[in-house]
Amino acid sequence: EPEVTQTPSHQVTQMGQEVILRCVPISNHLYFYWYRQILGQKVEFLVSFYNNEISEKSEIFDDQFSVERPDGSNFTLKIRSTKLEDSAMYFCASMVWVGTDTQYFGPGTRLTVL
Amino acid sequence: KQEVTQIPAALSVPEGENLVLNCSFTDSAIYNLQWFRQDPGKGLTSLLLIQSSQREQTSGRLNASLDKSSGRSTLYIAASQPGDSATYLCAVSSKTSGSRLTFGEGTQLTVNP
Repeated sequence: EPEVTQTPSHQVTQMGQEVILRCVPISNHLYFYWYRQILGQKVEFLVSFYNNEISEKSEIFDDQFSVERPDGSNFTLKIRSTKLEDSAMYFCASMVWVGTDTQYFGPGTRLTVL
Repeated sequence: KQEVTQIPAALSVPEGENLVLNCSFTDSAIYNLQWFRQDPGKGLTSLLLIQSSQREQTSGRLNASLDKSSGRSTLYIAASQPGDSATYLCAVSSKTSGSRLTFGEGTQLTVNP
């Protein structure tokens, strides 16, 4: 069964460094998402992406963050100048179409900022 | 702004018991509601998706109901097993919030052998 994959599974970085989290969505899906979950807290929406552009973003997704679909398969989240509070589990999700379909989640990347 | 609440926050039951997890949401203009399972330190596994026009969905020992007008959903787990121990998350896709999912805090379920 097709699944969303994410790499790396765990990323440790120093405060102020840039990180890129990678995702490979399910191949026929059109909508892509990033969510994050700080330890012990709710899963929070960051951004959605459709037709090679951001379709929605939350107040969390400020200029520190960017997303890209550099080729036909990868979907990336870049975090510039990481802060301690960026430490969280980051989940990628994809969906065929809005409104009627399940969002399928990847296994997550645990980001630790020291 | 959509808000999702889940009660109880934690639940511990003996094996074999039937149980109900509750989810409520504030904005009834939804596309759908999903129930997920999350094991410690792991990703989210989709269990059931209920469309806004549906009243319930079933998958094996799981049954989810939706009452859109009252802003409530329940997840019923029959004959619980120790392997059901996990955190169960409810998430709503709202018509006023695009396609993003808004999640509840989850219910941490422990099924004791």
